[in-house]
Amino acid sequence: QQPVQSPQAVILREGEDAVINCSSSKALYSVHWYRQKHGEAPVFLMILLKGGEQKGHEKISASFNEKKQQSSLYLTASQLSYSGTYFCGTAQSDSGYSTLTFGKGTMLLVSP
Amino acid sequence: GAVVSQHPSWVICKSGTSVKIECRSLDFQATTMFWYRQFPKQSLMLMATSNEGSKATYEQGVEKDKFLINHASLTLSTLTVTSAHPEDSSFYICSATPGGRNQPQHFGDGTRLSIL
Repeated sequence: QQPVQSPQAVILREGEDAVINCSSSKALYSVHWYRQKHGEAPVFLMILLKGGEQKGHEKISASFNEKKQQSSLYLTASQLSYSGTYFCGTAQSDSGYSTLTFGKGTMLLVSP
Repeated sequence: GAVVSQHPSWVICKSGTSVKIECRSLDFQATTMFWYRQFPKQSLMLMATSNEGSKATYEQGVEKDKFLINHASLTLSTLTVTSAHPEDSSFYICSATPGGRNQPQHFGDGTRLSIL
């Protein structure tokens, strides 16, 4: 079951904040966040495991509400380099080799 | 750390040709590698899970005789698109994981395949 991401696209001015949401209809063990720039491979941002943790560094952080099967990615004081498409990937198993199902992505454009 | 190399980055070939794509984990051992296909402005669609020393597990709708996967060592997996046709044109990306509950998938740079 593909997770649902919202919004589909966001346009920001440099320095503004954004929140990207990822929700699933199935119980999740973990949520993975990636950013992909055009024509490039996805780059890993962070993993959130079952337990409702919030993690991140400086201006990019994320939370995971396992009861609601939702995760949110928080981008604060956005920079031009944050532009790209953000994907969440969800895992339903705690196997170290479990497959991920990716959402359709959220396109973020940060303008000067 | 956690570098995954994918080669070639771009392939253009005639219809009917078979194309092999390599995926290598350069600084870690990857018991499991994944192969994805991505159409323009769309999500990553998992094609198959590649396990070292055993047969790959294909997702529903993916032809295993069309997309041959070999995972001969802990650092190398290959995807061969056999008798490629224009509809096989796409962006193919591999990923690898060291395994373990907290480990992410690390992606290669992808291969853009264009079949004429």
